[in-house]
Amino acid sequence: DGGITQSPKYLFRKEGQNVTLSCEQNLNHDAMYWYRQDPGQGLRLIYYSQIVNDFQKGDIAEGYSVSREKKESFPLTVTSAQKNPTAFYLCASSIPAGGPGDTQYFGPGTRLTVL
Amino acid sequence: GEDVEQSLFLSVREGDSSVINCTYTDSSSTYLYWYKQEPGAGLQLLTYIFSNMDMKQDQRLTVLLNKKDKHLSLRIADTQTGDSAIYFCAEKGGYNKLIFGAGTRLAVHP
Repeated sequence: DGGITQSPKYLFRKEGQNVTLSCEQNLNHDAMYWYRQDPGQGLRLIYYSQIVNDFQKGDIAEGYSVSREKKESFPLTVTSAQKNPTAFYLCASSIPAGGPGDTQYFGPGTRLTVL
Repeated sequence: GEDVEQSLFLSVREGDSSVINCTYTDSSSTYLYWYKQEPGAGLQLLTYIFSNMDMKQDQRLTVLLNKKDKHLSLRIADTQTGDSAIYFCAEKGGYNKLIFGAGTRLAVHP
């Protein structure tokens, strides 16, 4: 059963703590993305990776970090430097071919709440 | 710069057609997308259209693209309660990233 999984679905964190969100895909996609969604707003790109061992900052990378050691995994760490981390986080993947095949497919999301 | 705008809310009666509109700014966008998000869930790809097309139809969904006006619309025929969700328009920006609108919340009432 192919798809993108994110865990956990809900996550609570105390202020000052780092927390890591998991994203795994078995679609054999090269590219992976992390987006943040706030109420009443569209998705904003945090980080993306076009290939293993390579990643680039998106529009709102400050306070976040990522790694891409395996093709199927792209974990996101929300650090204590992120001033307003409470949000819904969405992971996506695609084949970066430049055509319709590189359509992004999304995971179910992780809702992070900072207490 | 890149920007995508949508109206925030649409209410329709069950069985009627829904039309969700979107405007975008990047004339070099090659693909434009419509995604659906149900409460507490991720985004589900509904359809996409290539920028050299005017229209694309897929069952109850019709996408119209006016490239001159940079206007995209999604028409849902025979709208059902299961269509209630937030609909996002997105254009493809640089480095394969997607630029999303804020989403249109569609409410379907009997």
